[in-house]
Amino acid sequence: EPEVTQTPSHQVTQMGQEVILRCVPISNHLYFYWYRQILGQKVEFLVSFYNNEISEKSEIFDDQFSVERPDGSNFTLKIRSTKLEDSAMYFCASNKVRENTEAFFGQGTRLTVV
Amino acid sequence: AQTVTQSQPEMSVQEAETVTLSCTYDTSESDYYLFWYKQPPSRQMILVIRQEAYKQQNATENRFSVNFQKAAKSFSLKISDSQLGDAAMYFCAYRSDLIYNQGGKLIFGQGTELSVKP
Repeated sequence: EPEVTQTPSHQVTQMGQEVILRCVPISNHLYFYWYRQILGQKVEFLVSFYNNEISEKSEIFDDQFSVERPDGSNFTLKIRSTKLEDSAMYFCASNKVRENTEAFFGQGTRLTVV
Repeated sequence: AQTVTQSQPEMSVQEAETVTLSCTYDTSESDYYLFWYKQPPSRQMILVIRQEAYKQQNATENRFSVNFQKAAKSFSLKISDSQLGDAAMYFCAYRSDLIYNQGGKLIFGQGTELSVKP
């Protein structure tokens, strides 16, 4: 069964450093998403991406964040200068919205900023 | 803006018994989708069940079923014959129909932690 793959599973970084979280969505999916879950809290939407551009972003997704799909398969989330409060689980998801299917989630990347 | 509320932070059920998790939502839209996701300790998000708002029939998936009350904006999940493997965090989620939201984002509730007692 096709799945969304995220790497790394766990990333530890120093405050102020740049991090790139990587995702390989399911190959025939059209929409891609990043969500964040701070430990013990609910899952929050960050950004959606369609046709090589951002279609929607939340208030959380400020200038420190960026996304891109550099090679048609990988979908990355970059945090330019990490803060302690960026520590969270980051989930990538994809779906074929036009077929009204559910979003498939990756297993998540745990980001720890120290 | 749409909101999703899960008022039960924690629930407990005896193995083989039935439990119902509550979810309410607020929206002015008429077409949308509702989901229940399960998050076990591994923190993977796993889809449990999906309901389209235009369907009056409640969705069922094996031991999992929903009670969808559109007028009341309520979407509860019933787990029958609970198993130890059902222990997890359960999230209710809302998604607008395409005509409202080209992005297709999910809006999640706060989650309900379900424990299953042997």
